[in-house]
Amino acid sequence: DAGITQSPRHKVTETGTPVTLRCHQTENHRYMYWYRQDPGHGLRLIHYSYGVKDTDKGEVSDGYSVSRSKTEDFLLTLESATSSQTSVYFCAISPREWEKLFFGSGTQLSVL
Amino acid sequence: GQQVMQIPQYQHVQEGEDFTTYCNSSTTLSNIQWYKQRPGGHPVFLIQLVKSGEVKKQKRLTFQFGEAKKNSSLHITATQTTDVGTYFCAGPWSNSGYALNFGKGTSLLVTP
Repeated sequence: DAGITQSPRHKVTETGTPVTLRCHQTENHRYMYWYRQDPGHGLRLIHYSYGVKDTDKGEVSDGYSVSRSKTEDFLLTLESATSSQTSVYFCAISPREWEKLFFGSGTQLSVL
Repeated sequence: GQQVMQIPQYQHVQEGEDFTTYCNSSTTLSNIQWYKQRPGGHPVFLIQLVKSGEVKKQKRLTFQFGEAKKNSSLHITATQTTDVGTYFCAGPWSNSGYALNFGKGTSLLVTP
C-alpha cells in the first residue's frame, strides 16, 4: 500500500466545534484529495490540491476548508461542524492528474 | 451533481453466478477507472481504460470501455465470496478540474 496516513481514525465531536483532519503521505505525490462517503451517495469530492498552496473546490466544498503548506500534508478543516458533516472522510493521493488514486484508511467523524 | 450513472445500485448473487455493473456518462471521457471497496475498507484501484472500445481482463474480471467513450462495464465471471464489496467507476468529468469524480457504486453481495 502507498504510504498514506489519515488521523485521527475516529472522532466524535459536538455541533459548532472546529475539527481538523490530517492526511500525511510519504510518496511525494503532487495531487491530494479529500472525499466524503455517505450511504447512497458514494464518494464525493470535497477539495483537492495540485501542489503546495494550490487547492480547488470539489462538488461538496461548502463548510470545509483545506490547506497544504507542505507536499506531504493536506489538512481538511470543518470550521464549525454540523450534524450533516457526519461521514467517513477519505484522503487520496496521485502522482499525476487523472491517474489512479491511492486511498488512506479513512476517518469516521461523528458530529453530535 | 454527478454526471455519471452507475447501475445497478445493489446486486445479490449466488456464488458461481456472473455479475455485471455499468457506468454511463453524459459526456465523453478521456479515461475511466474502476475501484473496489471491501466492507469497512477503503477504495482500491482495479484498472484504468483509455482507448475507445478497450477491453481488459484481470482473471475473472472483464472491463470494457464503450466505443463512444461514454460508458463502461465491469463483468465478473463465476463470482466468489471474495468478490463482495462495492465497485465504483471514476472519471475526469468535465467539471472536476484535476480530480476524479466517482459514480455512486454498485454493492455486490455473494451468497455461498
